[in-house]
Amino acid sequence: DAKTTQPPSMDCAEGRAANLPCNHSTISGNEYVYWYRQIHSQGPQYIIHGLKNNETNEMASLIITEDRKSSTLILPHATLRDTAVYYCIVRVGNNYGQNFVFGPGTRLSVLP
Amino acid sequence: GAVVSQHPSWVICKSGTSVKIECRSLDFQATTMFWYRQFPKQSLMLMATSNEGSKATYEQGVEKDKFLINHASLTLSTLTVTSAHPEDSSFYICSAITYSSYNEQFFGPGTRLTVL
Repeated sequence: DAKTTQPPSMDCAEGRAANLPCNHSTISGNEYVYWYRQIHSQGPQYIIHGLKNNETNEMASLIITEDRKSSTLILPHATLRDTAVYYCIVRVGNNYGQNFVFGPGTRLSVLP
Repeated sequence: GAVVSQHPSWVICKSGTSVKIECRSLDFQATTMFWYRQFPKQSLMLMATSNEGSKATYEQGVEKDKFLINHASLTLSTLTVTSAHPEDSSFYICSAITYSSYNEQFFGPGTRLTVL
């Protein structure tokens, strides 16, 4: 699976949009981009995933560049409860049984 | 959505004892489960992959005789830490996937193990 690069930490003001970048310059054509987050002392929580089109759900939006070498997770109105470590993972989508490889992620701190 | 539970949520034990952690898929059949370990301020590290009815596949550096994994049913996998030592103190997390949604991995809430 392709490796990802994320900034180690970011701050965001409460109520503002949080934009979390991820570089995956070696991504293959059949690899999806997944985002999970982990709130302190809890298991990871799925946020969103996509292949090449932008995606949106009730939690966030995922913007993938046209060359698919980078992506941005957008939390439109960050709250204090969004403080967590955010993991960007690339993985072959139809590779049943393949685990998710977690990097160090980005520690997002939402400030009041 | 699919729910995965773990029991216990935290456990404290004496050095040399064994501890069993359960991972259950509550509303789906988990054909494959994964066990991760997470030390403070570090990311999740995969320990082993467990398929129902077969032996687990362990990652390099993980002792299979120390971390016993059993996946006897489609809804239950167990991790037993045998002869636990203080260096085994960690946050243990399981996850599960199923044929119908293998694009997504469902994680349990984790188990905090402290070995005195």
